[in-house]
Amino acid sequence: DTAVSQTPKYLVTQMGNDKSIKCEQNLGHDTMYWYKQDSKKFLKIMFSYNNKELIINETVPNRFSPKSPDKAHLNLHINSLELGDSAVYFCASSQLTSPNEQFFGPGTRLTVL
Amino acid sequence: DAKTTQPPSMDCAEGRAANLPCNHSTISGNEYVYWYRQIHSQGPQYIIHGLKNNETNEMASLIITEDRKSSTLILPHATLRDTAVYYCIVTTPSNTGKLIFGQGTTLQVKP
Repeated sequence: DTAVSQTPKYLVTQMGNDKSIKCEQNLGHDTMYWYKQDSKKFLKIMFSYNNKELIINETVPNRFSPKSPDKAHLNLHINSLELGDSAVYFCASSQLTSPNEQFFGPGTRLTVL
Repeated sequence: DAKTTQPPSMDCAEGRAANLPCNHSTISGNEYVYWYRQIHSQGPQYIIHGLKNNETNEMASLIITEDRKSSTLILPHATLRDTAVYYCIVTTPSNTGKLIFGQGTTLQVKP
């Protein structure tokens, strides 16, 4: 049983398109996150939702819009894709109390052509 | 910016202990030290965390200095599967859960 799953695993698309990445966790956690890992391997937090409420919104272009339909799901929609959006996107979840161990998904590799 | 400093890379012989250092001289009293690792092409994986006491679990041990300004992650018997990037992160666990990843230490375990 996969704790944190993401779909798709790979996504190749043209500039200007709109795409979505889905994330689901079956751990019963109350908090979910999106991280971006660029080509230089830097991992950076983008968003976090706690009980469907946005609690972290880093300096991310507003072309990126997270949506949390329920506590177990956090999707990432990206409008008007740009070359610089190419990266690996990781979803994670945790219970927002100590120790707040975060469980990460396998990642979605997005390539914008 | 990350609040920690780690060496960019280290080597370790298979079967030997791997000792990964981390400096966090500006750590606050309510901040914990967390360690995660990322094996190639996979999502990061939690290893261990601690506040001020030394901690041990099935994966590793964490030694935190008395002044809490530095710590060492110890993998007691490194295997080839421990080859990964290891991240030392300082944060408060019950705030927003935000993890700030630095460059980490690339550990290469060699046969």
